[in-house]
Amino acid sequence: DQQVKQNSPSLSVQEGRISILNCDYTNSMFDYFLWYKKYPAEGPTFLISISSIKDKNEDGRFTVFLNKSAKHLSLHIVPSQPGDSAVYFCAASLSGAGSYQLTFGKGTKLSVIP
Amino acid sequence: DSGVTQTPKHLITATGQRVTLRCSPRSGDLSVYWYQQSLDQGLQFLIQYYNGEERAKGNILERFSAQQFPDLHSELNLSSLELGDSALYFCASSPAPGVQPQHFGDGTRLSIL
Repeated sequence: DQQVKQNSPSLSVQEGRISILNCDYTNSMFDYFLWYKKYPAEGPTFLISISSIKDKNEDGRFTVFLNKSAKHLSLHIVPSQPGDSAVYFCAASLSGAGSYQLTFGKGTKLSVIP
Repeated sequence: DSGVTQTPKHLITATGQRVTLRCSPRSGDLSVYWYQQSLDQGLQFLIQYYNGEERAKGNILERFSAQQFPDLHSELNLSSLELGDSALYFCASSPAPGVQPQHFGDGTRLSIL
């Protein structure tokens, strides 16, 4: 039972264009969402997050959108740069459980082509 | 550099053996989380400790155990190893259970031969 799904295993985008990474979740109790970026041989690095009380959060080139009714969030990267090439993981947290563990999707590998 | 240190980076061992993975959280972080990432999978939550006490358990096998010591470092013990235990094991830390984000170490790659 995969509660967080990233249905696109990979995505290729031209440098300078917008990258849109998608994530769907099934548990409506999730109340905090995060995006992590991962390079090979490194651990996941926190990128941006959003609380369920918001529908948008922006940090520089990165924007996360949350659509609670559709149980869907997306990460927009504008403009995309070659250094953004990495695997991006969507994660969700359920604060009511008391542990704040993260439930991860399987990741989307982004390739930004110069 | 996330400030979370995991050792060793790589471990190669045989079926039936026992190994210990170590994690030092970021300075000031009291909560430690362990995750397993198998091939082509997302990270799966194993167990969480907060200030020395177990806080939550995920899909952790009975052959696996963990503890957090008074200096806040944590160890994950894996015993009676099977081929399917080959994976990346990540440790993450945060100041407290309710504080996000969690910051991750670079992981330990465990290979069972």
